[in-house]
Amino acid sequence: ETGVTQSPTHLIKTRGQQVTLRCSSQSGHNTVSWYQQALGQGPQFIFQYYREEENGRGNFPPRFSGLQFPNYSSELNVNALELDDSALYLCASSLAGQGGYGYTFGSGTRLTVV
Amino acid sequence: RKEVEQDPGPFNVPEGATVAFNCTYSNSASQSFFWYRQDCRKEPKLLMSVYSSGNEDGRFTAQLNRASQYISLLIRDSKLSDSATYLCVVNMIGHTPLVFGKGTRLSVIA
Repeated sequence: ETGVTQSPTHLIKTRGQQVTLRCSSQSGHNTVSWYQQALGQGPQFIFQYYREEENGRGNFPPRFSGLQFPNYSSELNVNALELDDSALYLCASSLAGQGGYGYTFGSGTRLTVV
Repeated sequence: RKEVEQDPGPFNVPEGATVAFNCTYSNSASQSFFWYRQDCRKEPKLLMSVYSSGNEDGRFTAQLNRASQYISLLIRDSKLSDSATYLCVVNMIGHTPLVFGKGTRLSVIA
């Protein structure tokens, strides 16, 4: 059983640029959630994808967008990067109907915006 | 008011100490409750689920009081390896996301 894999692990971008982060879900899972974790804070929910559609969104602007593919992997895209976007971006996969149980997190992508 | 609030910390305790973490949640519709552990610069990992009847896993005991919307985690006989950030997490029924508290950092000192 493979876990959740995120890529890249680290990257540095300049303010105003665009970035794409990738996540492969755990085998058997059909839902992917993305979280942003700023330094010293808990993870904040960005959005969730189920059956290739956005299925819930947190308080993040439209420049945060995503995709889910038929194999349940997912991308997070951020346009017009701002300094405050610097954070650890976590992807979690789960199986719909399990409630809060059975989440598996990837090791995250650490984004630094300069 | 934040959905999930935790003790601000940090907690610095000697090895062998007992330490308790407290958490409150604002949404009475919350249905499932968890404590996650996060090591520095790593992803959160599930420590234990929390049930109304209380549950224990070795040195760790979790309690839930639905009436007070309060969750606790007790760590007995602290080890150096318990040093981490402990995140209180709640979830509502249905296909909804996990909601995390800010986390409380624990440092166990030799």
